[in-house]
Amino acid sequence: RKEVEQDPGPFNVPEGATVAFNCTYSNSASQSFFWYRQDCRKEPKLLMSVYSSGNEDGRFTAQLNRASQYISLLIRDSKLSDSATYLCVVNIDNYGQNFVFGPGTRLSVLP
Amino acid sequence: NAGVTQTPKFQVLKTGQSMTLQCAQDMNHNSMYWYRQDPGMGLRLIYYSASEGTTDKGEVPNGYNVSRLNKREFSLRLESAAPSQTSVYFCASTPSRGNSPLHFGNGTRLTVT
Repeated sequence: RKEVEQDPGPFNVPEGATVAFNCTYSNSASQSFFWYRQDCRKEPKLLMSVYSSGNEDGRFTAQLNRASQYISLLIRDSKLSDSATYLCVVNIDNYGQNFVFGPGTRLSVLP
Repeated sequence: NAGVTQTPKFQVLKTGQSMTLQCAQDMNHNSMYWYRQDPGMGLRLIYYSASEGTTDKGEVPNGYNVSRLNKREFSLRLESAAPSQTSVYFCASTPSRGNSPLHFGNGTRLTVT
């Protein structure tokens, strides 16, 4: 089993749709969690950290379920500019040594 | 505030040539990383440096060496490039405390012919 798995995608959705991505991780000792977006041929950019209580940033909502070892990202009212690959990233410890990346889920928002 | 800066942005090498990829960060971060990204493979860790003066192998270190020159700079060297090293290389850094994310440089696209 891979350490971090994501929905295989791609997701093709119309503008204005709500889309949800899921990510599961295998190491129960994982400490911190992040969602990154990566545009084609560019570097990954932090979208949001994921906190235990869940957190929201505008149209984006992240949830963490430690018992089931999964993380989710919800995008509401999707825009054309949301088209990108979304990477789930898990840090096994809080000393920065062990970030594990999921393979990513590609999203295309269609006009 | 530049963040993480990588040079060069693009490079073409012939098999057997050597080169050094440079990375510098101005955020006073302790930890620095080198990743490679290939189609369908996701990001894989080559080497990392937890702090100035230390380096450790990641998942795919063969064919690479690194130097943590000081707190700001972390370079990646290919001594004898091979076509299998054609990839996009990303440098990243983090404060390495608490819930701190990685900050990435713009990447270096390397082609080995």
